[in-house]
Amino acid sequence: NAGVTQTPKFRVLKTGQSMTLLCAQDMNHEYMYWYRQDPGMGLRLIHYSVGEGTTAKGEVPDGYNVSRLKKQNFLLGLESAAPSQTSVYFCASSYLDTQYFGPGTRLTVL
Amino acid sequence: DQQVKQNSPSLSVQEGRISILNCDYTNSMFDYFLWYKKYPAEGPTFLISISSIKDKNEDGRFTVFLNKSAKHLSLHIVPSQPGDSAVYFCAASYGQGAQKLVFGQGTRLTINP
Repeated sequence: NAGVTQTPKFRVLKTGQSMTLLCAQDMNHEYMYWYRQDPGMGLRLIHYSVGEGTTAKGEVPDGYNVSRLKKQNFLLGLESAAPSQTSVYFCASSYLDTQYFGPGTRLTVL
Repeated sequence: DQQVKQNSPSLSVQEGRISILNCDYTNSMFDYFLWYKKYPAEGPTFLISISSIKDKNEDGRFTVFLNKSAKHLSLHIVPSQPGDSAVYFCAASYGQGAQKLVFGQGTRLTINP
């Protein structure tokens, strides 16, 4: 039982490049979330999903897209990366009131 | 507008003593509050939570207190242990369905031997 896993762990992009971050959970949770964490700040919600095939915007959705084609996977896409998107990205899943987080992806955009 | 605030970036406590971490919020709609603990290079892990219908919740060495009139909550750890050294995040949410958490900035707790 791996819980929540994230791929990749680290990535360096150049401005304008695109990439997709993958989140996978094996707990059969309906809800999944993407957050970003910047220095001196708490985690901020980017997008979330309440079930397979659904997505919704969070607090800071601009510049990101998401997809939930399978219940266990939640993908976060950056179509044209910008230096302001340099951050640590965390994925989480939940059934009721407790969110379980993955280990994070550290993304640097040069 | 920071809806959830942790005004102490860091806290240092001696092993065996009580650690008290504080959190303030501004949105009166919040009805569920949580504390998460985070070690370096790991994701946050759930520690304890409290519903707005309660003013206290206890789980072993961890107790969370909620003062709704002051829009303030605190996490007490007693006795503090070296393994408690981590960053602690306060978070809040409201409503049913997806739990759209709003996090504070975090407090780095260091337990000294």
